Parts: sequence; structure tokens; C-alpha cells
Amino acid sequence: DTAVSQTPKYLVTQMGNDKSIKCEQNLGHDTMYWYKQDSKKFLKIMFSYNNKELIINETVPNRFSPKSPDKAHLNLHINSLELGDSAVYFCASSPDWIDTDTQYFGPGTRLTVL
Amino acid sequence: AQKVTQAQTEISVVEKEDVTLDCVYETRDTTYYLFWYKQPPSGELVFLIRRNSFDEQNEISGRYSWNFQKSTSSFNFTITASQVVDSAVYFCALSEAGYNTDKLIFGTGTRLQVFP
Repeated sequence: DTAVSQTPKYLVTQMGNDKSIKCEQNLGHDTMYWYKQDSKKFLKIMFSYNNKELIINETVPNRFSPKSPDKAHLNLHINSLELGDSAVYFCASSPDWIDTDTQYFGPGTRLTVL
Repeated sequence: AQKVTQAQTEISVVEKEDVTLDCVYETRDTTYYLFWYKQPPSGELVFLIRRNSFDEQNEISGRYSWNFQKSTSSFNFTITASQVVDSAVYFCALSEAGYNTDKLIFGTGTRLQVFP
């Protein structure tokens, strides 16, 4: 069973569209994250949620809106997609945000905006 | 400010050579955590190790070993007798303990290529 899963794995879309990426973890963790990896492989945190509550919002444009329906899911919705949004988006989870536990990553979603 | 520097952009070795990947970090906190992740060509991020700032003991796991030195703010990673399957991008990361700081600050990664 996959611990942290993301769908879709690949997403190709036109500028201006709205799209969502879904993330689910079956590890029983309380905290989930979204990271963005750009074309130069640089990884940067976007958001973190603990038990459905937003903990970190790292100066991401408000076109990006995370949604956590329950602590096992953290989805990322992106409005009005721009060329610069092309990247690989990784979801991650950890047991607890207080103790700086290890974060386990999903397989990534490669978003290409044309 | 928190920062992680991986000065080696790319390293190429021949199989069975030993290789060390450097990681230097900056933080003002006294309590922090250091990590290494591997990103093979398939793209996923694989956790390798987590070390807290109070534990400077070196760690060995099979062919992998880590050398943590607070005096030089370094957390270097050595692969002994490298194999082709070790070819990947390796990321060092830092996380500070405390409220609202549980995020990984990644270095820019070191691409390791192991040739047969």
C-alpha cells in the first residue's frame, strides 16, 4: 500500500485554467504539507496543515488554495494557472508538527502549463 | 536565517569508489534537525536519515554513513563502494524545532552519477 499518494501524476493544462491535485496519506499522520520543486530541482515549502488546520502558508500567491477535508487528505487547488506554475508538486506527511518528525513524501505531480 | 548549502552541484564517480556529499547549514536555533533525502531518476523523494542537533554521534547504515559536526555546521554524507543504483540527486535539509517552524529548508541538491 502506498503511504502517501498523489493524483494525478502528470497534469498538462492551458494557461488560465483551474486545476486540483489530490493527496492522501494512510499513515495516520496528523500533519501534511505541499512543496514545490522547480525546474532547477529547488524544493520549497508552500503549506502545512495539522489536523485540518493551516499551520504554514509560505507567501504563496492566493491563486493556490489548499483544502484539507480530513487529516488524511490535503488537496491543492490552483486558479488561473500561469506558465511559472509549471513544476513538480510534492505532498508530504509527518506524525506531528511539534516534534519535527520525519516528513514522508508522495511521488509528486508534474504540472505543465502551456 | 536558515540556509542549507550543498556546494557540489554534480559529482561523477566510477562504481566502487567512495564519495562524500557535503552539506553546510546555517541556523540561529540551538535545537534543530537535519535530514538527507534521495531523489532517484524516477522522481520520488526517499527519506534517508534524520538527526537532531544534540546528537553528534556519527551514523552508519550499510554503505551509507553520516558525519555531523556542529563546530563546522556540517552534515556530510558518504557512500562507500558506490553502485550504479546510487545515481540520484541527494538533498540535505534543515528544520528548526518550535511552533510554526516545522518546514524543511532544502539545499539545492547534489546530483551523483555512478558509472559502471
